[in-house]
Amino acid sequence: GAGVSQSPSNKVTEKGKDVELRCDPISGHTALYWYRQSLGQGLEFLIYFQGNSAPDKSGLPSDRFSAERTGGSVSTLTIQRTQQEDSAVYLCASSLGTGPSGYTFGSGTRLTVV
Amino acid sequence: AQSVTQLGSHVSVSEGALVLLRCNYSSSVPPYLFWYVQYPNQGLQLLLKYTSAATLVKGINGFEAEFKKSETSFHLTKPSAHMSDAAEYFCAAMAGGTSYGKLTFGQGTILTVHP
Repeated sequence: GAGVSQSPSNKVTEKGKDVELRCDPISGHTALYWYRQSLGQGLEFLIYFQGNSAPDKSGLPSDRFSAERTGGSVSTLTIQRTQQEDSAVYLCASSLGTGPSGYTFGSGTRLTVV
Repeated sequence: AQSVTQLGSHVSVSEGALVLLRCNYSSSVPPYLFWYVQYPNQGLQLLLKYTSAATLVKGINGFEAEFKKSETSFHLTKPSAHMSDAAEYFCAAMAGGTSYGKLTFGQGTILTVHP
């Protein structure tokens, strides 16, 4: 596609439920990233995928968070047993490789845990 | 560890005035540096990037930034602010080694432009 597409744009969930956030990167972009943007914490790196390499999961805040990328394209970020502190905007980005070409970000998914 | 500091969480200027948004990085090795802009309810858009070529980098919408190694700074400027520049701006750094590919962001600066 022309840009990075994220769905849903907004998600309200009850505490303790699982949620899945989806990211469709730009076609041909081999690198895909997830970031979290929350008040007081700024933009935090979560995870990134580069081609067929093992993902860098060093930013995932707990084992309730996981992500996969199928077929080198679409990625899903899953949060299990959501907590109120998980409320944030989850941003996905993609790029050509991991070099300094700069990312293209999606518009994000705003997650609210009530 | 890499860190990025943006001085001033809020900056207010008059339309037509100079815009100066400050960014300092901490790294023993000059990283790649970026400025992004975020409009309400949108993702981040790349304004410009420094990749060790020219130290003065020109970006979109009339913005530019100068990399100063001696000051570990990468401040963003625009000679004349426009109302449409009102947004939040983020400075980011990409280091090498095991951090290659990952961006470390500053806390952001909200720019307000008054008529």
